[in-house]
Order: sequence, then structure tokens, then C-alpha cells
Amino acid sequence: DAEITQSPRHKITETGRQVTLACHQTWNHNNMFWYRQDLGHGLRLIHYSYGVQDTNKGEVSDGYSVSRSNTEDLPLTLESAASSQTSVYFCASSDPGTSGSYEQYFGPGTRLTVT
Amino acid sequence: DQQVKQNSPSLSVQEGRISILNCDYTNSMFDYFLWYKKYPAEGPTFLISISSIKDKNEDGRFTVFLNKSAKHLSLHIVPSQPGDSAVYFCAAYSNYQLIWGAGTKLIIKP
Repeated sequence: DAEITQSPRHKITETGRQVTLACHQTWNHNNMFWYRQDLGHGLRLIHYSYGVQDTNKGEVSDGYSVSRSNTEDLPLTLESAASSQTSVYFCASSDPGTSGSYEQYFGPGTRLTVT
Repeated sequence: DQQVKQNSPSLSVQEGRISILNCDYTNSMFDYFLWYKKYPAEGPTFLISISSIKDKNEDGRFTVFLNKSAKHLSLHIVPSQPGDSAVYFCAAYSNYQLIWGAGTKLIIKP
């Protein structure tokens, strides 16, 4: 079965460190998204990609970067982790053009704590 | 400015009764809406959707109603079951992206 996986599931890091969160999908979807979820804010879009070599900033992109070198993976990098980036991070994918559905499929999330 | 709003952070409903979760939006160009359900420590999962050409869509115990003139949609769960306890997110589709509400935590009491 197709799926979307995230690793690690939990991460504790120190302020100032670079951190990379992995996202891998086997849906063969063109669109991939990174969100953070914080209490009272729902899901906020960090970065997104509509295909290989394409990346775009979302509403809360400061301090984050992504790269898309293949269809399956969209790693999220925190250049210099800050305590404000303590959150739960979700990766998602979609492909309305081929699936006919606007639905996004989500990974299980990564809980990141910056101390 | 939030384009999709879920004004009730939480809702408590007796098992077997109807749960009604509400969502308002501000952009009249939105023409497709989705509801997601999220359990703790899991990613959101798709529940039901509705296109603006309809005013109602049903799937088993779940029904979504859309009132375009009021820019309002609601999710009805009948009857409510203990497994329905979760956070419910409303989202609007726009340009390959989903615009999310803040979520409503539904608690089903025995």
C-alpha cells in the first residue's frame, strides 16, 4: 500500500543546531507540503513543492528550507533551531491532476523539541 | 487574517446524540471544502468533502452541509460514538493548497 512516512518521530535538539526532518511518500504524488501544528493555530503551511526542483514558501517559512530532488522526498531543514520552532511537524502529499481528488495524505508527524 | 474559522475550540456531546461542528470562511472564491479528523500522535485523515455545486454530502454517519450565501459549513455526526472523540479540522481548497481552520476538539461522553 502507498504511504507517507516521516522520520524521526521524535527529536530533541539544542538551540542553534541544524535539524533535518525527513518525509518520504510512495503515492507518486507531485505535490508535497510541510505544516506545523501548534495549539490554537491549526495547521500552518511552511513550504510546499509542486514537483521536482520546485519549492515555494508558505505562511511561516522563516528559518526553514526544503529541497526536492526527486518525486518521493521533501526534507525540511531548520537552519538554526530556535525554541519557537518547538512544534509537531506534518508532511503531506496530493495530486489532484491524477487522483481526481483534492485530498492531502498526511504522514504521522514529527514532534520536535528545541531546548 | 484567518480565511477559514472554527470558532469552537471544543465541543462535548453525549454518546448517541448528534455532534455538529461548524466552520466559516471569508473567501467566496473557495469552491471545495474538506473535513479531516485527527487523533493524538497521528496525522490528520480525510473524512468527507463537499463541492460548492452541492449543499449536502453524506457518508454513513457523517453529513456535511454547505451554505454558500452564509459562507458556512457544518459537519453532522449521527449517532456520535466514543471513537469520534478527536480534533476535527475544516479546510478549503485553493490553488492546490488547503487553507485550514484551527480545529475543534470533539469529546464524546459515555
